[in-house]
Amino acid sequence: QKEVEQNSGPLSVPEGAIASLNCTYSDRGSQSFFWYRQYSGKSPELIMFIYSNGDKEDGRFTAQLNKASQYVSLLIRDSQPSDSATYLCAVKIEYGNKLVFGAGTILRVKS
Amino acid sequence: GAGVSQSPSNKVTEKGKDVELRCDPISGHTALYWYRQSLGQGLEFLIYFQGNSAPDKSGLPSDRFSAERTGGSVSTLTIQRTQQEDSAVYLCASSWSSYNEQFFGPGTRLTVL
Repeated sequence: QKEVEQNSGPLSVPEGAIASLNCTYSDRGSQSFFWYRQYSGKSPELIMFIYSNGDKEDGRFTAQLNKASQYVSLLIRDSQPSDSATYLCAVKIEYGNKLVFGAGTILRVKS
Repeated sequence: GAGVSQSPSNKVTEKGKDVELRCDPISGHTALYWYRQSLGQGLEFLIYFQGNSAPDKSGLPSDRFSAERTGGSVSTLTIQRTQQEDSAVYLCASSWSSYNEQFFGPGTRLTVL
C-alpha cells in the first residue's frame, strides 16, 4: 500500500461545477496535510493546508480532513478552466521530516 | 519578500559529468528540502536540512548524490558521475520548520545525454 494514494484521473468537470479530489493516507499518526496545484511544466503551488478534523474554507477551495478514516479531500467550487492542473496531496508523516506526496490527480475543467 | 529561487533553470550535461544545482530559500526559513520529479512521476524526497542539525539524507538514491547548506541559507545539490536516469526536475522547497507548509522554487530541469 502506498503511503499517500490519489486517483490519477483525469477528472473532468464542466465549468461552474464542483470538483472533488480525494486522497487517502496510511500513517495513522500523520498530523499535517497539504494540497498543492501543479500546472504542466511548473513547480507545485500551495493551495491549502489542514491540521484538524473537519472543513477548512478559503475562497472557492475547501479542504476536508477525516483522521479516523484517514482521508483528506479538496473541493473546488465554481470550477474554472484555469483550475485545470494536477493536484498533489501531501502528508507530513508522524516520524520523519519529509512530506510524502501522492502521485497527483489531473483535473480538467471544460468550458 | 522573494520566493525560493533555483539555478540554473535548465542544465544539459553529458553522462559521467558532475553537476551542481543551487537553491536560495525564502529569507528566515530554517527548513530546506530537495525533491526530484521525473517525467509523469510524483515528487521523490531527497534530503532535508533544519537549522544547524544534521541533515536527513534518507532519500538520496545513491552515494553519487550529496548536498550541503552553508550558513543556514543557500544549498547546493551535487550529482557526481551523472547517469541518464538522473534526468529529472530537481525541486527545492523551504519552510519555517518541518511542521509548516513548504514553498517550492521553480526547479532545475536536468537532462543527462
